[in-house]
Amino acid sequence: EDKVVQSPLSLVVHEGDTVTLNCSYEVTNFRSLLWYKQEKKAPTFLFMLTSSGIEKKSGRLSSILDKKELFSILNITATQTGDSAIYLCAVGVLTGANNLFFGTGTRLTVIP
Amino acid sequence: NAGVTQTPKFRVLKTGQSMTLLCAQDMNHEYMYWYRQDPGMGLRLIHYSVGEGTTAKGEVPDGYNVSRLKKQNFLLGLESAAPSQTSVYFCASSYSRTLNTEAFFGQGTRLTVV
Repeated sequence: EDKVVQSPLSLVVHEGDTVTLNCSYEVTNFRSLLWYKQEKKAPTFLFMLTSSGIEKKSGRLSSILDKKELFSILNITATQTGDSAIYLCAVGVLTGANNLFFGTGTRLTVIP
Repeated sequence: NAGVTQTPKFRVLKTGQSMTLLCAQDMNHEYMYWYRQDPGMGLRLIHYSVGEGTTAKGEVPDGYNVSRLKKQNFLLGLESAAPSQTSVYFCASSYSRTLNTEAFFGQGTRLTVV
């Protein structure tokens, strides 16, 4: 059975801290791994990873994929209160009815 | 640039009532999806469409029907609502199912069935 597991489920940090969010997966016909940020409403796209070992970076956020060990991490440095959100990991597959498998998300709370 | 628009944003239904959720996208995307999001369950795919006039079942299709009469619109119908269908529903669209492109999401519809 295809599955995507995120950890931790929730995290509370102080502004300025660095956090690492984890996503492990077991799927057939892996195509890509995506990270989304969900604040109050729609998930918004952060990164798409398809190759192992190549870091994607956007400002204070970065992510990397390990296709051998089947996991990805999302790092956020110098956290700000605006980073408070649910971070969703999704794995795209090439075949089957469900082409994006989502994890349950990590709820990050950044306190001043 | 509106992106993906869902209507309505909120709705309360009585058990047994029917309703239709509308999703519209203006990005000329071929693929459209309906997800539901429940606490502790993540986003789960209900139905999807790979093009105008086509639909297919996702992970949790029971109790829902869909139609894609126009490329830009994807409708989700509940014929006889049940309390188990209380959820937040998200529509999404993407350019291609097989290419490495991300899905764009609407703002969500919060549905409560009492």
